[in-house]
Amino acid sequence: RKEVEQDPGPFNVPEGATVAFNCTYSNSASQSFFWYRQDCRKEPKLLMSVYSSGNEDGRFTAQLNRASQYISLLIRDSKLSDSATYLCVVNGRGGSYIPTFGRGTSLIVHP
Amino acid sequence: DGGITQSPKYLFRKEGQNVTLSCEQNLNHDAMYWYRQDPGQGLRLIYYSQIVNDFQKGDIAEGYSVSREKKESFPLTVTSAQKNPTAFYLCASSTLQGIEAFFGQGTRLTVV
Repeated sequence: RKEVEQDPGPFNVPEGATVAFNCTYSNSASQSFFWYRQDCRKEPKLLMSVYSSGNEDGRFTAQLNRASQYISLLIRDSKLSDSATYLCVVNGRGGSYIPTFGRGTSLIVHP
Repeated sequence: DGGITQSPKYLFRKEGQNVTLSCEQNLNHDAMYWYRQDPGQGLRLIYYSQIVNDFQKGDIAEGYSVSREKKESFPLTVTSAQKNPTAFYLCASSTLQGIEAFFGQGTRLTVV
């Protein structure tokens, strides 16, 4: 089983739609969790951190479920500019904070 | 401005040659990482370092080497032993607490 698993998609949604991505991780000792955004042929950039209490940033909401070992990202009112690959990142491998990436979920928002 | 810089942006290598990718950061981060990304794939960890003069193998270290002589610098050498080196290489840095990893712009390596 991979350490971090994501559905690669693509998720193809119209503007204004709500879309949700999930990510599962295998290491129950993982310490911190993030969602990164990666545009085509660019480096990943931090979208948001994920906390047990959940966190929201504008149209984006992230949730962590430690018991089930999954992380979610919800995007409301999708924009064309949200089209990108969303990478789930889990820190904490062998007691060290080493970022481990899922393969990413591709989102395509169309008019 | 603080940041992490990779060079070159594009690199072409002949088969059998070693090449070195540069990564420099001025964020005062202790930890630095090298990842490889193939088309449609996630990032796979090659090597990482959490302190000067020390580094650890990641998941796909074979055919690669690194050094960490200075806190700011973590160059990656792709050796001729790497059988399929064509990929997008990303360098990142973070604090040891791993709050956020910052990435360089990446180097696209192509073997010709």
